[in-house]
Amino acid sequence: QVQLQESGPGLVKPSETLSLTCTVSGGSISSYYWSWIRQPPGKGLEWIGYIYYSGSTNYNPSLKSRVTISVDTSKNQFSLKLSSVTAADTAVYYCARDRVFGAGYYYYGMDVWGQGTTVTVSS
Amino acid sequence: EIVLTQSPGTLSLSPGERATLSCRASQSVSSSYLAWYQQKPGQAPRLLIYGASSRATGIPDRFSGSGSGTDFTLTISRLEPEDFAVYYCQQYGSSPPHTFGQGTKLEIK
Repeated sequence: QVQLQESGPGLVKPSETLSLTCTVSGGSISSYYWSWIRQPPGKGLEWIGYIYYSGSTNYNPSLKSRVTISVDTSKNQFSLKLSSVTAADTAVYYCARDRVFGAGYYYYGMDVWGQGTTVTVSS
Repeated sequence: EIVLTQSPGTLSLSPGERATLSCRASQSVSSSYLAWYQQKPGQAPRLLIYGASSRATGIPDRFSGSGSGTDFTLTISRLEPEDFAVYYCQQYGSSPPHTFGQGTKLEIK
């Protein structure tokens, strides 16, 4: 079955760029949307953005100016970059498969999630 | 932006009881675009329900979803010990495509 694994630095300095990668195993990255979601300590879930395997993206307006999501289909990976981080960006970051189909006409939920990776922003 | 408000914030029940969790949207949401997730401490969320009422693969039938428009409900018919967790509703829409409710914590009474 499809599995997702996040990877990247667990500690990022303020004002720097947070970079994470999600590796898809057990299936192809093609034909799906792939999301990044984060969860600050003790708080709820915040959707960051998603990318279609073809490269089209959509971001949360609250983060749009700082976020870039990219995909590498040859490696079955997609990545997140969040620039100019502050302590408010400290969170567990999850990647997930997002079952959007038919140009957004059909939605079947985020059915596969990575285990999450903790990123702390601190000097 | 559609805001999802979940209630109650915390629900205290005993195993065997029925749980009813509410998710209210600030604007009408297509029932096709409403999902529910369960999250246990230290774990990633797990998809329970999509399309407001369709159970995801492997989800027991004691979990059911209903609702339309701005009011949606997740019902757990008979609570098992493993059901005590935090539950989130989520909608897929236009801008932004995804928003989550703030969560309902289901705790053992």
